[in-house]
Amino acid sequence: DTGVSQNPRHKITKRGQNVTFRCDPISEHNRLYWYRQTLGQGPEFLTYFQNEAQLEKSRLLSDRFSAERPKGSFSTLEIQRTEQGDSAMYLCASSFWRGDRGGEKLFFGSGTQLSVL
Amino acid sequence: KQEVTQIPAALSVPEGENLVLNCSFTDSAIYNLQWFRQDPGKGLTSLLLIQSSQREQTSGRLNASLDKSSGRSTLYIAASQPGDSATYLCAVISSGGSNYKLTFGKGTLLTMNP
Repeated sequence: DTGVSQNPRHKITKRGQNVTFRCDPISEHNRLYWYRQTLGQGPEFLTYFQNEAQLEKSRLLSDRFSAERPKGSFSTLEIQRTEQGDSAMYLCASSFWRGDRGGEKLFFGSGTQLSVL
Repeated sequence: KQEVTQIPAALSVPEGENLVLNCSFTDSAIYNLQWFRQDPGKGLTSLLLIQSSQREQTSGRLNASLDKSSGRSTLYIAASQPGDSATYLCAVISSGGSNYKLTFGKGTLLTMNP
């Protein structure tokens, strides 16, 4: 097990294009989270899945953003009609949820750095 | 709404010193608090997790304490080394409202001086 894997590491795109990122969580983890981080800020929550169900989306996630986690394994985050304000590091994290919130430890991937020109 | 503050925003210290990073949060109703390390342009590495019923956790040269009632946590790094240079982030999971997400501070950028 090599931890949480994210691809690509870097993505440069032109405004208006669509982009898709992939996250492969730690294999036995049932929860998967997406966060966004801009320079000098802490990560901000976007959305999360428990198995294949998307249970919550932040108000930060406009209708141009969509996330999926088919079969409760890997997840994809798609941004349609990208804008310059979408430029950020997109981080994926996973955890094994046992019903004990106090003990839930998140493991993060290395992130995908998106630059919208 | 939970807010997490980290002071100082940046810290530069000579190698070998013991140092303390501070984290405060506005809502004491939390499930846990985690400290992370982030190297430039990279993802987050979990350092320590303190559950709300605990007062401290230790891992090697790192010790984190939690005072839930006052909304404070400190990360103590003993005998600092060049490889400790990074941004250190603290984050909490709140037990009220949106209790499935981490709320992060902006981090403390630690630079070690030779």
